[in-house]
Amino acid sequence: DQQVKQNSPSLSVQEGRISILNCDYTNSMFDYFLWYKKYPAEGPTFLISISSIKDKNEDGRFTVFLNKSAKHLSLHIVPSQPGDSAVYFCAASRNAGNNRKLIWGLGTSLAVNP
Amino acid sequence: EAQVTQNPRYLITVTGKKLTVTCSQNMNHEYMSWYRQDPGLGLRQIYYSMNVEVTDKGDVPEGYKVSRKEKRNFPLILESPSPNQTSLYFCASSPSKGQRLRLFFGSGTQLSVL
Repeated sequence: DQQVKQNSPSLSVQEGRISILNCDYTNSMFDYFLWYKKYPAEGPTFLISISSIKDKNEDGRFTVFLNKSAKHLSLHIVPSQPGDSAVYFCAASRNAGNNRKLIWGLGTSLAVNP
Repeated sequence: EAQVTQNPRYLITVTGKKLTVTCSQNMNHEYMSWYRQDPGLGLRQIYYSMNVEVTDKGDVPEGYKVSRKEKRNFPLILESPSPNQTSLYFCASSPSKGQRLRLFFGSGTQLSVL
């Protein structure tokens, strides 16, 4: 049972336009959310995060929005660049003692076309 | 350069032949973890370690062993590999305090068990 769902396996956008990647979760106990980016033949790298006490976090071209009532978060990339082409993973966590346990989505493959 | 180093990158072995995948980080991180990534299942945690000599099971620990004798190293041991352990493996680390859940990943080890 997928607790973190990324319903779009792939997304294609034009360079300079906005990319919107979506993520839904089912567990209302999740209190921290992260986005990771993964290039082929590399491990995931941290991109941006948001705590459940916020509804928006921005870092340069990347903004994450959290809608707790809908159990939905989204990652906006503006403007999109060809170097943003990668697989994006959404991950969620709840307070569970010492373990840094993350529940991961299956990823969305973003292609930014020049 | 701050990094997590996994070796080997690719490994083909046969059922029952013991193997070790090494993981080393140079960031003095207390927390280290092993994940496996499988199609349709995403990233799942195998084992984690809060610090030297402190390890615990993740979600899918069966068939695996780990040890944490030094802070920088966290090897993953498959005593008797089976074909269902064919997967892409990632080692990750993070500091225990601050930067919570911002994992640094290695580049991955693609394991095939015949």
